[in-house]
Amino acid sequence: QVQLVQSGAEVKKPGASVKVSCKTSGYTFTNYGITWVRQVPGQGLEWMGWINIYNGKTNYAQNLQGRVTMTTDRSTSTAYMELRRLTYDDTAVYYCAMVQGLSIENSFDPWGQGTLVTVSS
Amino acid sequence: QSVLTQPPSVSGAPGQRVTISCTGSSSNIGAGYEVHWYQQLPGTAPKLLIYDTTYRPSGVPDRFSGSKSGTSASLAITGLQAGDEADYYCQSYDSSLSGPWVFGGGTKVAVL
Repeated sequence: QVQLVQSGAEVKKPGASVKVSCKTSGYTFTNYGITWVRQVPGQGLEWMGWINIYNGKTNYAQNLQGRVTMTTDRSTSTAYMELRRLTYDDTAVYYCAMVQGLSIENSFDPWGQGTLVTVSS
Repeated sequence: QSVLTQPPSVSGAPGQRVTISCTGSSSNIGAGYEVHWYQQLPGTAPKLLIYDTTYRPSGVPDRFSGSKSGTSASLAITGLQAGDEADYYCQSYDSSLSGPWVFGGGTKVAVL
């Protein structure tokens, strides 16, 4: 079955960078997209961006432009999300999810288990 | 402020029917884009509940249903159960600068 397994929790200092991985299995990696969503503890879901694995194109949320980069490694069917210049407001659980196709109207399913990133001095 | 507006909470007794609204605009739901719903049980990752406005993934009970009209969409839960206590989020495509994908702010369902 399709599975997305994310890397473990991270603690970073303000100004640092974090790179979260999302290892996929159970499907043809290049036929779908991967999206990243974050959730500040106790708050709602915030869409961060996505990568079309077939052609490598990315699309990021406007408020994260310039700080976020999404990449993939086709050899290991793994997606990565790097966020730079971290601030306390970036403390959140970060989720990856499979985009059910390569269309703008596709849903996200399944999701990874989430990775808690804590920004603390 | 979310682009898609949901009520913060709804509640109902076991067995009752509750509905959750998701109000958008002409740049998302009103433009005809599909709406998806996710259920997030406490301490877990979100799970797809309804896709393409009205369809249920395999394994989702038919107590859950989705609909859309104009610039709004709705999720209905019939025969409410204790296990339905969760946060529910709507999501759609948005053609404005907010997008391209946006979520509602989430609705907490409480079973009384």
